[in-house]
Amino acid sequence: EAQVTQNPRYLITVTGKKLTVTCSQNMNHEYMSWYRQDPGLGLRQIYYSMNVEVTDKGDVPEGYKVSRKEKRNFPLILESPSPNQTSLYFCASSLGASGHSTDTQYFGPGTRLTVL
Amino acid sequence: GQNIDQPTEMTATEGAIVQINCTYQTSGFNGLFWYQQHAGEAPTFLSYNVLDGLEEKGRFSSFLSRSKGYSYLLLKELQMKDSASYLCAVLDSNYQLIWGAGTKLIIKP
Repeated sequence: EAQVTQNPRYLITVTGKKLTVTCSQNMNHEYMSWYRQDPGLGLRQIYYSMNVEVTDKGDVPEGYKVSRKEKRNFPLILESPSPNQTSLYFCASSLGASGHSTDTQYFGPGTRLTVL
Repeated sequence: GQNIDQPTEMTATEGAIVQINCTYQTSGFNGLFWYQQHAGEAPTFLSYNVLDGLEEKGRFSSFLSRSKGYSYLLLKELQMKDSASYLCAVLDSNYQLIWGAGTKLIIKP
C-alpha cells in the first residue's frame, strides 16, 4: 500500500530534550516536506527536500533540522524543543514539485507533539 | 506578502449545496489545490486547477479565475461525512505551496 508513515504519532516531552520524528514514504517520491499545523494558522512549511541530500528552509525553520540521506526517509529533528513547538506535525511527499496535477501531496497521519 | 483567504467556518444542511470560496494574492501562480481534512486526520487531495474554468469530479467541483485570484469548491448533495475542513493551497512562482487556514464545514441533518 502506498503510504507515508510517521513515528511517533503522539509525544509528550520536556523543554530541551532532543527528539526526532521519523517520516518514510514507499512511493519513490522525489519531494518531501514537513509542516506544522496550529489552530487558525493553517499548514506552515518547516523544511522541504527536492531530492536526496537537497534540503531547504520553508516558512518556519527556526528550531528544527532535517536530513535526506535516503530517498524514502526525511526525519525531523528538534535539538532543543521549546513549548512554542507544541503542535501537530505532518510529513508529506509528492512525485515532484513542478506544478503538475501529479504533484499532489500525500500526507502522513500526523504527530501530535507537546513540549512541557 | 503572500496571502490566501478562506472563510473560517460554514454551516450547511445535509442534501444541500455549499460553495467554499478562496481568494489569493501570491508571487506567481502555478496551480491551485483543494484538500479535505477530517478532524485529527491528514489532509487528502480533492482537486487541482491550473487553467480558468470548472473542473468537475463527482459531487465536488472546483472553479478557478486567475485574473481575479479566486477559486471556489462546490460540494453538492451534502452528506454528513463531508463535515471536515477544506484547505485551499496555491503553488507560487517558486513552486512552493502557500496554504490557507482552512474552512471548517459543519453539516447539519
